Amino acid sequence: RKEVEQDPGPFNVPEGATVAFNCTYSNSASQSFFWYRQDCRKEPKLLMSVYSSGNEDGRFTAQLNRASQYISLLIRDSKLSDSATYLCVVNIYTGTASKLTFGTGTRLQVTL
Amino acid sequence: DAGVIQSPRHEVTEMGQEVTLRCKPISGHDYLFWYRQTMMRGLELLIYFNNNVPIDDSGMPEDRFSAKMPNASFSTLKIQPSEPRDSAVYFCASSPGQGVSGANVLTFGAGSRLTVL
Repeated sequence: RKEVEQDPGPFNVPEGATVAFNCTYSNSASQSFFWYRQDCRKEPKLLMSVYSSGNEDGRFTAQLNRASQYISLLIRDSKLSDSATYLCVVNIYTGTASKLTFGTGTRLQVTL
Repeated sequence: DAGVIQSPRHEVTEMGQEVTLRCKPISGHDYLFWYRQTMMRGLELLIYFNNNVPIDDSGMPEDRFSAKMPNASFSTLKIQPSEPRDSAVYFCASSPGQGVSGANVLTFGAGSRLTVL
């Protein structure tokens, strides 16, 4: 089983739609979680951290469910500029080593 | 700050040649990571350093790969000899330490796109 799993998509949605992605992780010792965004032929960039209580940044909402070991990203009122690949990242820190593992990403295509 | 700087941006080489990729992390960041990205396997962690010391190199595919960090502002990833299956985008990323959670938010360089013929 992969350490971090995501549905590769693509998710094709019209502008203005709401879309949600999930990501599951296998190691219950995972401590911190992030969503990154990667545009075509560019480097990944941090979109938002994911906090236990859930957090919102404008049209983006991230949730963490430790019991079921998944995190989610909700995008409201999708824009054409949201088209990208969204990468889920999980951090496991052992006290001496910090390992950040990426999912393979979920591709989103927002259309007119 | 100029961010994480990688060179070269593109490299095309022939099988058997030595390839050296370079990275300058953000000043003050304690952690430096090397990732490889392919369509099939996504982003794979190859190795990372904390305060210039290699911490986990379990992701390095084989002995042909080596990485060094001689000082806080420079790291190299070397492939010798290179093979066509090494073709990928290699990203360097750095992160400030975050105490109990270790490395945290990563800032990536623009990547080095390697093609081995």
